[in-house]
Amino acid sequence: GAGVSQSPSNKVTEKGKDVELRCDPISGHTALYWYRQSLGQGLEFLIYFQGNSAPDKSGLPSDRFSAERTGGSVSTLTIQRTQQEDSAVYLCASSLLPNTGELFFGEGSRLTVL
Amino acid sequence: KNEVEQSPQNLTAQEGEFITINCSYSVGISALHWLQQHPGGGIVSLFMLSSGKKKHGRLIATINIQEKHSSLHITASHPRDSAVYICAVSVFHNDMRFGAGTRLTVKP
Repeated sequence: GAGVSQSPSNKVTEKGKDVELRCDPISGHTALYWYRQSLGQGLEFLIYFQGNSAPDKSGLPSDRFSAERTGGSVSTLTIQRTQQEDSAVYLCASSLLPNTGELFFGEGSRLTVL
Repeated sequence: KNEVEQSPQNLTAQEGEFITINCSYSVGISALHWLQQHPGGGIVSLFMLSSGKKKHGRLIATINIQEKHSSLHITASHPRDSAVYICAVSVFHNDMRFGAGTRLTVKP
């Protein structure tokens, strides 16, 4: 696609439910990043994919968070048993090259856990 | 101490003024990014630097690898430049670290 596409743009869920967020990067971009931005806070790095593999998962806040990327393209971020502190905007970015590539951001998925 | 420090946190300027935002970091990096986030949340990458200096229109970014410092300059500032400017560094094992951001308000 022309840009990084994220869905849903808004998600309201009840505490304890699972949610799945999707990121469709720019075609051909090998690197894909997930970030989180809580209300009024700065950006927090969650996970990075090079192709289908994630070299470093240590940024994920807890074991309720998981992410996968298949076919070197679309990625999903799954949050199990959501908690109110998970409420945030979840941003995805992609780049042509890892480490040194310009980042292109999606519009984000705003998650609200009631 | 944060690994990426930005200053100032908040900056108010009059239209036309020259603006400088600073970023210092304490980790080894492969690249440094300057990002712009407008109200409403959309983030745009302004620059990606690994050395030297880059210029896009009224924006200039510099980096000094030895001093672990980068600056973002805006010449002839305009109210539409009002946004949060974020410094981010790519760490060698592909992690990214972010500064807290600088909120810029340019008054007409």
